[in-house]
Amino acid sequence: TQLLEQSPQFLSIQEGENLTVYCNSSSVFSSLQWYRQEPGEGPVLLVTVVTGGEVKKLKRLTFQFGDARKDSSLHITAAQPGDTGLYLCAGTTSGTYKYIFGTGTRLKVLA
Amino acid sequence: ETGVTQTPRHLVMGMTNKKSLKCEQHLGHNAMYWYKQSAKKPLELMFVYSLEERVENNSVPSRFSPECPNSSHLFLHLHTLQPEDSALYLCASSQVDLAADTQYFGPGTRLTVL
Repeated sequence: TQLLEQSPQFLSIQEGENLTVYCNSSSVFSSLQWYRQEPGEGPVLLVTVVTGGEVKKLKRLTFQFGDARKDSSLHITAAQPGDTGLYLCAGTTSGTYKYIFGTGTRLKVLA
Repeated sequence: ETGVTQTPRHLVMGMTNKKSLKCEQHLGHNAMYWYKQSAKKPLELMFVYSLEERVENNSVPSRFSPECPNSSHLFLHLHTLQPEDSALYLCASSQVDLAADTQYFGPGTRLTVL
């Protein structure tokens, strides 16, 4: 059974601090997505990473795909209250309908 | 309209009611999905349709009945639900034949079963 473990599960930090969220698996994925979800809304796609070792930046967010394509990290620099939400990673194998979702990291950034 | 839309956004129903959730995708994708999201649980895949054919049914109770009349529309018909079926129901779509296929989600329907 494919699993994606996210850590930490919960994170409460002050505005301006940096943080890293991890997404780990023993399975290899052809691509991995990161989403942010706000209460009562659907997950919104942040990024897709495809190549092992790939690093993508989205303003203050930096995403990295592990060399072996089994894990990923999301680093937020100088967090802001608007970053508050549930962060989900999802791995997939191309040509299939299988999207494995992580357990989620609930982030709260305090002003 | 762009992306993936879902209606209604909120639904309250009794256990004996029959209702339907609707999803529409405007992305030209060839696969559509229904997920259930309950509090403190990971997203649970319910059904997958590819080219309007059901390709995945993850042991979902028969009180949930999906329908995919064309590649842009997906329905979830509900009948005789239980209170534990209360959850956020999410629709998603993707283009499965891409190397980096990615799911795009709708805003969800918050369902409450009384």
